[in-house]
Amino acid sequence: SQTIHQWPATLVQPVGSPLSLECTVEGTSNPNLYWYRQAAGRGLQLLFYSVGIGQISSEVPQNLSASRPQDRQFILSSKKLLLSDSGFYLCAWRGDTYGYTFGSGTRLTVV
Amino acid sequence: AQKITQTQPGMFVQEKEAVTLDCTYDTSDPSYGLFWYKQPSSGEMIFLIYQGSYDQQNATEGRYSLNFQKARKSANLVISASQLGDSAMYFCAMSPDQTGANNLFFGTGTRLTVIP
Repeated sequence: SQTIHQWPATLVQPVGSPLSLECTVEGTSNPNLYWYRQAAGRGLQLLFYSVGIGQISSEVPQNLSASRPQDRQFILSSKKLLLSDSGFYLCAWRGDTYGYTFGSGTRLTVV
Repeated sequence: AQKITQTQPGMFVQEKEAVTLDCTYDTSDPSYGLFWYKQPSSGEMIFLIYQGSYDQQNATEGRYSLNFQKARKSANLVISASQLGDSAMYFCAMSPDQTGANNLFFGTGTRLTVIP
């Protein structure tokens, strides 16, 4: 069966520090992968999506970047975090049926 | 551009009663998919139900049903026989294709509280 792993679950980072959030998928090949961010009390905003290795599309200009070094690995990064980068980050993949399957999320607090 | 609107920031329902969560959408595409997700306090997003724009019948999944009114561009979620475990945030989402292969656009959510 397909599963999606996302880590860490929580992270507290100082302003200006780097960031690396990792997402991996098991049980499928060549999945479409997505990074979403949810600000407190808000809906989900699509940040990046990838349809294959090395293929990244950005939906909104921001302080973040994404990479897909392997078929089932999707990484969200930042060189220097801002306070506004705080939020709940969700990785997702499009499954065989309708809709997405989401990871358990990473709650990032930038202090 | 696609737009999803959820006008109810919070809703309360008595346990065992039914509740309707509103969702309206705006798109000029004839082909699209509509989704509902549940987000408990733990944060994960749980897929509940899907409706394709060409589906003739309203989707149902257990206690969840989607009241799809295409002309009104509404896709309300109906939860029957509410349970305490239904307390969560609920998000309506739309994809500009039937399968959700492209991006999902989310509404701002409705927080449902089930009262014992």
